[in-house]
Amino acid sequence: LAKTTQPISMDSYEGQEVNITCSHNNIATNDYITWYQQFPSQGPRFIIQGYKTKVTNEVASLFIPADRKSSTLSLPRVSLSDTAVYYCLVGGYNFNKFYFGSGTKLNVKP
Amino acid sequence: DGGITQSPKYLFRKEGQNVTLSCEQNLNHDAMYWYRQDPGQGLRLIYYSQIVNDFQKGDIAEGYSVSREKKESFPLTVTSAQKNPTAFYLCASSMLSGEDYESQPQHFGDGTRLSIL
Repeated sequence: LAKTTQPISMDSYEGQEVNITCSHNNIATNDYITWYQQFPSQGPRFIIQGYKTKVTNEVASLFIPADRKSSTLSLPRVSLSDTAVYYCLVGGYNFNKFYFGSGTKLNVKP
Repeated sequence: DGGITQSPKYLFRKEGQNVTLSCEQNLNHDAMYWYRQDPGQGLRLIYYSQIVNDFQKGDIAEGYSVSREKKESFPLTVTSAQKNPTAFYLCASSMLSGEDYESQPQHFGDGTRLSIL
């Protein structure tokens, strides 16, 4: 089971770019890297997913180095509404391999 | 709109009582999951199901039971054997991965908060 390690918390200010790095040293060949966002008393929401190199969508970018042992979620120009917990998961075909760690609590300040 | 509906939003259990949490999805997803989340913690997998009439234990299945009689529904029963049931329970669903092994994102409901009276 590929476990992940993330910082417990991060602080940022509105308008800044935020980068959250996740370590997953024992990622398997078929595993994808997926990031979720969770607000209090709500279910997690899918943000972005990638396998290698860089993936970008309308809300975030995901950078994955060649060895795939880590990944970085990049949130451009955060706002107060981006204050949430962000989870990094690795898993793939066998979805039961998903592991939700404690996530990174991002606090965006005005 | 398609999505996952969990009910009730809040639930209270008396000692020795079984309670059932509802989860319904209209996304036509094959896979469904139940997670438990304790305060300040991540999600832990209780049970999951890939197909109707089949389900598998997750990491913390003791004291819980599930059924999957319909594709759309995956109810979770918290039995009296679960001695510490107070938690936030989340249901999710996803498509199954195809031959390309690409992981399929999970779609979550808004959860049920269970407390002990």
